[in-house]
Amino acid sequence: QKEVEQNSGPLSVPEGAIASLNCTYSDRGSQSFFWYRQYSGKSPELIMFIYSNGDKEDGRFTAQLNKASQYVSLLIRDSQPSDSATYLCAVQVTADKLIFGTGTRLQVFP
Amino acid sequence: DVKVTQSSRYLVKRTGEKVFLECVQDMDHENMFWYRQDPGLGLRLIYFSYDVKMKEKGDIPEGYSVSREKKERFSLILESASTNQTSMYLCASRGAGLSTDTQYFGPGTRLTVL
Repeated sequence: QKEVEQNSGPLSVPEGAIASLNCTYSDRGSQSFFWYRQYSGKSPELIMFIYSNGDKEDGRFTAQLNKASQYVSLLIRDSQPSDSATYLCAVQVTADKLIFGTGTRLQVFP
Repeated sequence: DVKVTQSSRYLVKRTGEKVFLECVQDMDHENMFWYRQDPGLGLRLIYFSYDVKMKEKGDIPEGYSVSREKKERFSLILESASTNQTSMYLCASRGAGLSTDTQYFGPGTRLTVL
């Protein structure tokens, strides 16, 4: 059974701090990795994807991938209360199929 | 702007009823997906379709069927609804391009089976 693991949280960080969200996966053959944000009562929306080892930056968000350790993370710099949401890690296991983690709930307090 | 719409935001049905959940996308996407989302279990794939009239089982297809008669529309059918099918149902679509193409999600249907 291919798995994607995330700490459910909540992860509480003060406004302006860096939030670090982590994800591990079991399928060594996975090539593409996605981070989705889901506000309460809403559907997931894509924040970033990454497929190469190393860092990928987009504004305040940085995705980090380490395929040898089967580990992907999302850093949010200068966290804002509006970043408070559940963050879902998703791993592409076939051409058509994503496996999602259960998500980490992030709380950013003023 | 990609738009994925679902027929209902909230639905209440009785045990044994046949339930239809409809999903429509306006981006001419080849791939469409049905997930359910439950607390502590995350998003789980029920079925997906990569073309009209084509379907593939996901991880939890039992108790569900699907229909894709037109490219833009993907329907999820609960043949005989049961209380353990109470859940949030999310539809998604994706183009048949790069593997890094994202899945776009609809707003979801919260189904309660009494």
